[in-house]
Order: sequence, then C-alpha cells, then structure tokens
Amino acid sequence: DTAVSQTPKYLVTQMGNDKSIKCEQNLGHDTMYWYKQDSKKFLKIMFSYNNKELIINETVPNRFSPKSPDKAHLNLHINSLELGDSAVYFCASSQWRYEQYFGPGTRLTVT
Amino acid sequence: AQKITQTQPGMFVQEKEAVTLDCTYDTSDQSYGLFWYKQPSSGEMIFLIYQGSYDEQNATEGRYSLNFQKARKSANLVISASQLGDSAMYFCAMSQENFGNEKLTFGTGTRLTIIP
Repeated sequence: DTAVSQTPKYLVTQMGNDKSIKCEQNLGHDTMYWYKQDSKKFLKIMFSYNNKELIINETVPNRFSPKSPDKAHLNLHINSLELGDSAVYFCASSQWRYEQYFGPGTRLTVT
Repeated sequence: AQKITQTQPGMFVQEKEAVTLDCTYDTSDQSYGLFWYKQPSSGEMIFLIYQGSYDEQNATEGRYSLNFQKARKSANLVISASQLGDSAMYFCAMSQENFGNEKLTFGTGTRLTIIP
C-alpha cells in the first residue's frame, strides 16, 4: 500500500488554465505539506496543514490554494497557470518531530 | 530563519569506498531536527536518517550514519561501503521542533555518483 500518493504524476497544460493536484496519505499522520522543487532541484515549502488547519503559508502567490477536506487529504489547486509554475510538486506527511514521508511528486509543465 | 548549506554540488566515489556528504546549518532555535533525504533519478524523495538536536549519540541507520557536531553546526552524512545504487541526489534538511511548524528547510543538494 502506497503511504503518500499523488495524482496525477504528470500534468501538461497551457498558460492560463486552472489545474488541481490531489494528495492522500494512509499513515494516520496529522500534518501534511506541499513542497515545490524547481528546475535546479531546490525544494521549498509552500504550505502545511495540521488536522485540516492551515499552519504554514510561505508567501506563495494566491493563485495557489490548498484544500484539506480531512486530515488524510491535501489538494493543491492552481489558477491561471504561468510558465514559472513549471516544477515538480511534492506532497508530504508527518507526525510531530518525525520524518516527513513524501509522495512520488507531480511534474507540472506549463506551455 | 533556518539555513542549510551543502557545499559539494557533485561527488564521484569509487564503489565500496566510504563517502562523506557535508552539511552545515544555521539556526537560532534550541530544538531542531536534522534529516537526510535521497532522491534517485526516478524522482522520489527517500528518508534516510534523522538526528535530534538534543540527541547525544550520532544517528545510524544501516550503512548510513550522521556525524553530528553541534558546536560546529554540522550534520554530515556518512555512507559506508558505497554501492552503485547509492548514485543519487542527497539533500540535507532541518526543521524547527515547534508543534505544527515542522516545515523542512532544504539545502541545495549533492549529486553523488558511484563509479564501478
């Protein structure tokens, strides 16, 4: 059973479109995260949720809106996609003070 | 603010040799965690090892050990008896240990290539 899953794995879309990435974890963790990995492989936190409550919002453009319907799910919706949004987006989950488990990533390409 | 520095963008190591990947950090927090992750070419992020700032013993997990020197603010990863499958990007990361704020701050990574 996959611990942290993301769909889709690949997403190719045009500028201006709206898209969503879904994430689910079956580890029973309370906290979930979204990270962005750019073309230089640099990973940066975007958001974190603890028990469905937004805890961290790292000055991400408001075109990005996370939603957590329950503590096992954290989705990322992106409006009006731009070329600079092309990246790999990772979902992760953890319990306090312990390692974060990452999903397989979603490679987003905006053309 | 927390900062992680990895000064080795790339390393080449002969198979079966030990390898040390450098990581230094900067933080004003008293309580923090240090992590190493591996990212193979397939892209997934694999957790390797964790060290808490108050842990007196260096963490070990199989062939991985973390050489934690708190006064020097360093958390180097040591891989013993390297294997071809160890070729990957390696990221050092740290987190604050404040409940609900455990975001990981990552370094820029080191690309390790194991030579047969």
